Amino acid sequence: SQQGEEDPQALSIQEGENATMNCSYKTSINNLQWYRQNSGRGLVHLILIRSNEREKHSGRLRVTLDTSKKSSSLLITASRAADTASYFCATDALGSGGTSYGKLTFGQGTILTVHP
Amino acid sequence: SAVISQKPSRDICQRGTSLTIQCQVDSQVTMMFWYRQQPGQSLTLIATANQGSEATYESGFVIDKFPISRPNLTFSTLTVSNMSPEDSSIYLCSVPGGAYGYTFGSGTRLTVV
Repeated sequence: SQQGEEDPQALSIQEGENATMNCSYKTSINNLQWYRQNSGRGLVHLILIRSNEREKHSGRLRVTLDTSKKSSSLLITASRAADTASYFCATDALGSGGTSYGKLTFGQGTILTVHP
Repeated sequence: SAVISQKPSRDICQRGTSLTIQCQVDSQVTMMFWYRQQPGQSLTLIATANQGSEATYESGFVIDKFPISRPNLTFSTLTVSNMSPEDSSIYLCSVPGGAYGYTFGSGTRLTVV
């Protein structure tokens, strides 16, 4: 079963607006990653934030991580029609030995629609 | 980061038959992962494929249904056996990319009729 929960499930905005998506998870993590998927194709890695980081930026993307609340958010600023896609968070969990299992657990995803 | 070539990109298969999906990576990687994405759903890990050892399957997935081969560090196959319409999904392979996250193949869209 998927440990990640994302909200909202769907988000519809106008071009130029900001889009915020949230993700919650249940276990201790090594890192948390965000991916984009266009029309059921392969996933594209957007950004990775480590468990000891609280915020990270990449272009128009801003990711925050709150390990005490086991939650993360992805902000896309000044959205474009080309940002229309499904967005997934994925966690790389920590094993009992303090090392990563090396496999990802995905959230349910947010479908973002940006209207021109 | 690695580049993955996944084949076929899509297929329509008759129930009861099997389909083998291939992933070729342009660099040597220790671990490869196979995921299933059912229609409108998120990704679920099927198994982890390590070269030189048997694949490790997640709960709900068995080797008889999803046999995996990993003959070398750049190649893996996943077979979906004795297919039924419930197997209609997108299947994706993936390899770790360190600080760049994971690289995914372009996916195989399988429809079972």
